[in-house]
Amino acid sequence: DAGITQSPRHKVTETGTPVTLRCHQTENHRYMYWYRQDPGHGLRLIHYSYGVKDTDKGEVSDGYSVSRSKTEDFLLTLESATSSQTSVYFCAISDRPGTSGGSSYEQYFGPGTRLTVT
Amino acid sequence: RKEVEQDPGPFNVPEGATVAFNCTYSNSASQSFFWYRQDCRKEPKLLMSVYSSGNEDGRFTAQLNRASQYISLLIRDSKLSDSATYLCVVFSGGYQKVTFGTGTKLQVIP
Repeated sequence: DAGITQSPRHKVTETGTPVTLRCHQTENHRYMYWYRQDPGHGLRLIHYSYGVKDTDKGEVSDGYSVSRSKTEDFLLTLESATSSQTSVYFCAISDRPGTSGGSSYEQYFGPGTRLTVT
Repeated sequence: RKEVEQDPGPFNVPEGATVAFNCTYSNSASQSFFWYRQDCRKEPKLLMSVYSSGNEDGRFTAQLNRASQYISLLIRDSKLSDSATYLCVVFSGGYQKVTFGTGTKLQVIP
């Protein structure tokens, strides 16, 4: 399994509080992603990173910010959590073609963080 | 119309059966396709990439039909351990243009 960890694994927080989720990888992969998964929806991309300090928005980025100061860490911040952000959050990584022999779009996921906003 | 559509199932099949899932996509410019499996309350795990020529990995076969804009996954000789939700994933032009299907649930029955 790819070396990806997420912390915390579970969190309950109150509306209006800031929350930061951490994704840590030991694979030295260039690309990192944050998704959320909700019933009735496929995984939806929040933000992604294509290098240190290089990030861009995904499909559902409103209310979220990210930072990547090191290759191995990608942080997702909810500046002021709302109940609509109750979800399971997954981090994923991928590599470039040629370095691993596979497609650069093959993604490997962390174990997820279950976030409840009350 | 959703960008990626899957029959949610559940598909309940006996052990040893052959089962097939389809996934349709709406963007004809889509470039890369994958199947993932996701166990209950776990992360998605890459099952296989899908190539135009079709590809096989043991009991699993994936096909891409660009003309009709669908991908398929065939599982032969189903095992109890195959019970999971199967997600199709479509990339349509860059890392941000990724769309996951909502998944098809498979339950293999003894």
